[in-house]
Amino acid sequence: NAGVTQTPKFQVLKTGQSMTLQCAQDMNHNSMYWYRQDPGMGLRLIYYSASEGTTDKGEVPNGYNVSRLNKREFSLRLESAAPSQTSVYFCASVDSGTQPQHFGDGTRLSIL
Amino acid sequence: QQQVKQSPQSLIVQKGGIPIINCAYENTAFDYFPWYQQFPGKGPALLIAIRPDVSEKKEGRFTISFNKSAKQFSLHIMDSQPGDSATYFCAASTKAAGNKLTFGGGTRVLVKP
Repeated sequence: NAGVTQTPKFQVLKTGQSMTLQCAQDMNHNSMYWYRQDPGMGLRLIYYSASEGTTDKGEVPNGYNVSRLNKREFSLRLESAAPSQTSVYFCASVDSGTQPQHFGDGTRLSIL
Repeated sequence: QQQVKQSPQSLIVQKGGIPIINCAYENTAFDYFPWYQQFPGKGPALLIAIRPDVSEKKEGRFTISFNKSAKQFSLHIMDSQPGDSATYFCAASTKAAGNKLTFGGGTRVLVKP
């Protein structure tokens, strides 16, 4: 039972390049989330998907897009990467109306 | 605008000591307050959680104290061990807003042997 799987684990990009971060969960959860973690700022919500077919903006959505491909998969896309998007990105999932959120081990992204 | 403020940013204690981490929130609609533990290179994992209808909750060596009137809650790690060295995050959510978590800034705890 893998839980929440994120790929890749590490990535280095140049400014202006695009990239898609992948997330898949095998717990049959309805809701999925993308966070970014920066030192001293905790985790901040980028986008979330309350259920298959729906997505909504979180606290820091600018520069990102998401796709809820199916119930299992929720991807995060950077269309034109900027150095300010250097961060660790976490995907999480939860069954509707219950906690806790289950997190993946993150994607460490550096943008030069 | 940080809706959940966490302090201190870092903490060093000796083995057996009691690290205490404090969080304060602004949104009175929050109805779920979890604490997450994160080890280097890993994602956060739920440690313990509380709802505002109780003032204290214990799970093993971890205790949450909750003060609804002051809009504050804290985590105590009793008889701390070197294996407890990690970063701890408080968070808050409201079911009405889809259970989206708002996190504090995190506290790095180091327990010295």
